[in-house]
Amino acid sequence: GAGVSQTPSNKVTEKGKYVELRCDPISGHTALYWYRQSLGQGPEFLIYFQGTGAADDSGLPNDRFFAVRPEGSVSTLKIQRTERGDSAVYLCASSSNRGTEGYTFGSGTRLTVV
Amino acid sequence: GENVEQHPSTLSVQEGDSAVIKCTYSDSASNYFPWYKQELGKRPQLIIDIRSNVGEKKDQRIAVTLNKTAKHFSLHITETQPEDSAVYFCAALNTGTASKLTFGTGTRLQVTL
Repeated sequence: GAGVSQTPSNKVTEKGKYVELRCDPISGHTALYWYRQSLGQGPEFLIYFQGTGAADDSGLPNDRFFAVRPEGSVSTLKIQRTERGDSAVYLCASSSNRGTEGYTFGSGTRLTVV
Repeated sequence: GENVEQHPSTLSVQEGDSAVIKCTYSDSASNYFPWYKQELGKRPQLIIDIRSNVGEKKDQRIAVTLNKTAKHFSLHITETQPEDSAVYFCAALNTGTASKLTFGTGTRLQVTL
């Protein structure tokens, strides 16, 4: 597609529920990244995929967070047993190289846990 | 890991004046430094970047300078316009060993008439 697409744009969920956030990267981009942005802060790295595999998941805060990219294109970020502290904007980005070529962000999913 | 500090957190300038935002980084191996502009409720957008093999880069009213020895880099916006009002983030990356950008905490720029 023309850009990085993220769905849903907004998600409100109750504490303890499970959520899935979707990212559709730019066609042909092999690298895909998830970041989390809290209010008034810069984006914080969560996980990086090169193709289908997670090349770096050092930013995932705990084992409630998991992400997949089974076919090397669309990625899903999954959060189990959501907590109020998980509320943030979750940004996805993709690039054709290791972060230096066409690193483009999606519009994000605003997650609110009530 | 890398740590990026950004100053100031807020900056107000009059239209037509210049604005300067400064960042420092901790990892001397970082070699790529992008700047992003983020308007309220929108995605971060790359406005300019610089690699460690150059000291300065300019694109119309925007310029970035890099001092590798001191490990700091700055964004310069000249002839500011109201549409420059946004939050600006600096970031750093070591392209050799990592792909994750480490971001600064952002600068909210307000250009007043």
